[in-house]
Amino acid sequence: DTGVSQNPRHKITKRGQNVTFRCDPISEHNRLYWYRQTLGQGPEFLTYFQNEAQLEKSRLLSDRFSAERPKGSFSTLEIQRTEQGDSAMYLCASSSNRDRGNQPQHFGDGTRLSIL
Amino acid sequence: QKEVEQDPGPLSVPEGAIVSLNCTYSNSAFQYFMWYRQYSRKGPELLMYTYSSGNKEDGRFTAQVDKSSKYISLFIRDSQPSDSATYLCAMIYTGFQKLVFGTGTRLLVSP
Repeated sequence: DTGVSQNPRHKITKRGQNVTFRCDPISEHNRLYWYRQTLGQGPEFLTYFQNEAQLEKSRLLSDRFSAERPKGSFSTLEIQRTEQGDSAMYLCASSSNRDRGNQPQHFGDGTRLSIL
Repeated sequence: QKEVEQDPGPLSVPEGAIVSLNCTYSNSAFQYFMWYRQYSRKGPELLMYTYSSGNKEDGRFTAQVDKSSKYISLFIRDSQPSDSATYLCAMIYTGFQKLVFGTGTRLLVSP
């Protein structure tokens, strides 16, 4: 079990630039989630995929944010025209839908975004 | 008012102490309850996962859920300096996928 992998670990960029993060879930997991965490706060839900379908999006996910999971495996999260307020840790998690119930979500170590 | 309330701490204890961490919540529809541990600059690591009310034990960790009081707890026995981290409670509604987290409690265990 290699766990959830996220790249890059840290991204520094200037305001107004576009950034893209990648998440590779645990191999047998068909559910994938993105969360955002700011200092001193718990993670906040952004969006959720089951296989390649994006099934839920938070109000936090403005139109500058887009997430994809084209083949139901890895996912990318893109932020266009970055703003200072986008500085945060972006976390990816995955879970299986075995037994149709809620299975626990396992997190990667995140991508820390710093906007200059 | 936040859906999940958690004291941010820090909570400082000596090595070997029993630690009690708690969360309260407002929505009775939450059915699954989790505790995650997060070290600095790392992602949350799942510690305990429980469904509905009751107790669950795993090694030095015990999770309790009291749905009637909308209150969950995590107990750590024989605390170690390596337990120093932020502990996040999280919960989820049946049939939904969005985890709702508390703010996290920072725990410091001194040798």
